Amino acid sequence: DTAVSQTPKYLVTQMGNDKSIKCEQNLGHDTMYWYKQDSKKFLKIMFSYNNKELIINETVPNRFSPKSPDKAHLNLHINSLELGDSAVYFCASSHDRAFAGELFFGEGSRLTVL
Amino acid sequence: DAKTTQPPSMDCAEGRAANLPCNHSTISGNEYVYWYRQIHSQGPQYIIHGLKNNETNEMASLIITEDRKSSTLILPHATLRDTAVYYCIVRSDTGTASKLTFGTGTRLQVTL
Repeated sequence: DTAVSQTPKYLVTQMGNDKSIKCEQNLGHDTMYWYKQDSKKFLKIMFSYNNKELIINETVPNRFSPKSPDKAHLNLHINSLELGDSAVYFCASSHDRAFAGELFFGEGSRLTVL
Repeated sequence: DAKTTQPPSMDCAEGRAANLPCNHSTISGNEYVYWYRQIHSQGPQYIIHGLKNNETNEMASLIITEDRKSSTLILPHATLRDTAVYYCIVRSDTGTASKLTFGTGTRLQVTL
């Protein structure tokens, strides 16, 4: 059983489209995260939710909207996609916010915007 | 956030110990040091973390200097599967949350 699973793994789309990436964890963790890894391999945190509550919101365009329907799921919706959104997006979870250093990452979702 | 400095790349022969250094001279007294690695195209994997004392687990050992301004991750017997980018991170805590800020890491190449 995959601990942190993301879908889709690959996503190719046109500029201006809206797309979503889904993430689910079966570890029973309270806290989930979205990270973005760009073409230069820098890995940056975007959002964090603790038990459905947003606790970290980095400087991210408001075209990006995370949604957490329950603590096992954290989805990422992106409106009006731009070329610069092309990246690998990683979902992660931790036991709770106190264990924010011990993250379990998914395999990533590679988004390509044409 | 405390900044970390790592060499961009290192080589290690298979079977030998890999010693990966990290400088974090601006670390605060209550900030932890974490190590992760990322094998090509996979999600980052947690390795180990520590505050003051040296730590060891089934994957690696973490040696933190007494002044806490630097640390070394030791893979005791490197294998080809240990080829990856290794990230040294200082965890930063705000009032409501903690976060990890990844740097550029060290690309470790294990060779035959």
